[in-house]
Amino acid sequence: EAQVTQNPRYLITVTGKKLTVTCSQNMNHEYMSWYRQDPGLGLRQIYYSMNVEVTDKGDVPEGYKVSRKEKRNFPLILESPSPNQTSLYFCASSLWAGQGGNSPLHFGNGTRLTVT
Amino acid sequence: TQLLEQSPQFLSIQEGENLTVYCNSSSVFSSLQWYRQEPGEGPVLLVTVVTGGEVKKLKRLTFQFGDARKDSSLHITAAQPGDTGLYLCAGAGVGSNFGNEKLTFGTGTRLTIIP
Repeated sequence: EAQVTQNPRYLITVTGKKLTVTCSQNMNHEYMSWYRQDPGLGLRQIYYSMNVEVTDKGDVPEGYKVSRKEKRNFPLILESPSPNQTSLYFCASSLWAGQGGNSPLHFGNGTRLTVT
Repeated sequence: TQLLEQSPQFLSIQEGENLTVYCNSSSVFSSLQWYRQEPGEGPVLLVTVVTGGEVKKLKRLTFQFGDARKDSSLHITAAQPGDTGLYLCAGAGVGSNFGNEKLTFGTGTRLTIIP
């Protein structure tokens, strides 16, 4: 089954303790992206990757890191999490970045992170 | 940064009623996508509209892209409990080189259909 898989689904951690949220897709997609979803703010892009070893900042990259060593995996790293990073995180992928919406995004089921 | 505002933010109606939700911006978009998100899941694409004035239908859902490509609407006829969810619009920036890396999401409309 074609899918984007995120792990873990739920994570509670403390301020400053490094964590990684994994994302894997089995569709051979070139483009991958991370979003955070907060009430009243919609989905905001954190980082994206156009292909292996090619990553770039989205709208809210501060406090996050990513890597794209393999096409299928795009982990999100929080080196020193803070309470303002408590959020619902989504990984998404598409065949390519597309133009004019011609490459639809496929989303994972989300990771709910709480930082105390 | 391009902004997309959706209205209403929350909507609760009885099964069988009709409804319209709106997605508005002061910016022009090359295309507009609509997603539905159910609890515990990621957004799922419903439709993409590309041409100003374009209308697309998906069963009881009708999507329209504004003539100036700054706004869009989603109309649901005879709403059913299965339509319950968070509806998100997303605009792709103007410019032939822009794609998903420049996708702006709206704030969302949380729809509840009461049986």
